[in-house]
Amino acid sequence: GAVVSQHPSWVICKSGTSVKIECRSLDFQATTMFWYRQFPKQSLMLMATSNEGSKATYEQGVEKDKFLINHASLTLSTLTVTSAHPEDSSFYICSVQGRREMGTDTQYFGPGTRLTVL
Amino acid sequence: QQQVKQSPQSLIVQKGGISIINCAYENTAFDYFPWYQQFPGKGPALLIAIRPDVSEKKEGRFTISFNKSAKQFSLHIMDSQPGDSATYFCAARQGAAGNKLTFGGGTRVLVKP
Repeated sequence: GAVVSQHPSWVICKSGTSVKIECRSLDFQATTMFWYRQFPKQSLMLMATSNEGSKATYEQGVEKDKFLINHASLTLSTLTVTSAHPEDSSFYICSVQGRREMGTDTQYFGPGTRLTVL
Repeated sequence: QQQVKQSPQSLIVQKGGISIINCAYENTAFDYFPWYQQFPGKGPALLIAIRPDVSEKKEGRFTISFNKSAKQFSLHIMDSQPGDSATYFCAARQGAAGNKLTFGGGTRVLVKP
């Protein structure tokens, strides 16, 4: 599998500020990373697909100007929540697309970042 | 519209018992079906996965059964242990759509000692 880290693991910010979350692939060069958000006791919802060297592809209903994604290298993708509001409080998780079995790509997840907006 | 339906929402099993979680899908374009285990405050961890050309896959205490004609698949956790208490998510991947994963709603499993 792939080892994925996220930083920070948790963050508290004031309403109106911007927060950047980093996702790193530690042992694998990832051309594709995914960003999810998860509300308490709910499932994971895909926000966007991050492709190295190109613009991210956002899922329907996700504001691309609010959730800025940059995938500048094969090991790093960042998610910036701009002008955060309390409703943006959530658990944000990234994943790396890696190869588990021959010919099969699957996703390996980071530990997540808990964002609380006051 | 939820494309992957997972049941039950929660499950309580005695230590040593069998936990069974079921998922059903509609989109025949799905081509890979992983299961993830998630502990509170942590990211999901890949547990086991199956492709639709295989009817069963076993890894240790975890077994996936897959019924392509019924578009259903299930996870069996044998000899359940308290450490297995977690939330389990089934997922389905659509390779032709950029390998996106669609997740089921999750099942909270509690294994009582």
